[in-house]
Amino acid sequence: EDKVVQSPLSLVVHEGDTVTLNCSYEVTNFRSLLWYKQEKKAPTFLFMLTSSGIEKKSGRLSSILDKKELFSILNITATQTGDSAVYLCAVRSGNTPLVFGKGTRLSVIA
Amino acid sequence: SAVISQKPSRDICQRGTSLTIQCQVDSQVTMMFWYRQQPGQSLTLIATANQGSEATYESGFVIDKFPISRPNLTFSTLTVSNMSPEDSSIYLCSVVPSGRFYNEQFFGPGTRLTVL
Repeated sequence: EDKVVQSPLSLVVHEGDTVTLNCSYEVTNFRSLLWYKQEKKAPTFLFMLTSSGIEKKSGRLSSILDKKELFSILNITATQTGDSAVYLCAVRSGNTPLVFGKGTRLSVIA
Repeated sequence: SAVISQKPSRDICQRGTSLTIQCQVDSQVTMMFWYRQQPGQSLTLIATANQGSEATYESGFVIDKFPISRPNLTFSTLTVSNMSPEDSSIYLCSVVPSGRFYNEQFFGPGTRLTVL
């Protein structure tokens, strides 16, 4: 059975800190890994990763995939209170629907 | 990315009643999915909505409880039937836009359902 594990489950940091969120996976036919940010109801798409070692970057957020070790990290630098959210990792195996991890709840305090 | 709308955005319903949630996309999409997110939990796939045919349900979900329609490539409905408090969740429509690399997937704004 395909599995996605995120760590930590929750994290509290101060504004300005840098955080690293982890996502490991076990799937039969890896196709891609996606990161989402969920603040209220709807997950917002952040990144899609398909190749090892290629960093995706958007502002203060960046992510990279290691297909050999089967994990990805999401980095947020200079955190702001607006970064407080649940960050979801999801993996697609073959042509099957996404498998989601349980998410990491990030709280950024002023 | 596709623009996705859902109606209603939230509702409070009585036990034993049914609610139909609508999902409208501003462009034709290859695939549409319905997810549920129970309080404090991650997203669970209910079914894939197939255009012109019966939906494909995941283990633990059945058509009698969650009937789904998808009459065309831009619209789908999910009905939560004979509701109980355990059905209180956020219900999310999700799409893979047509003509794009299959893997990008986007979510609608969600419907927050509370069953009393």
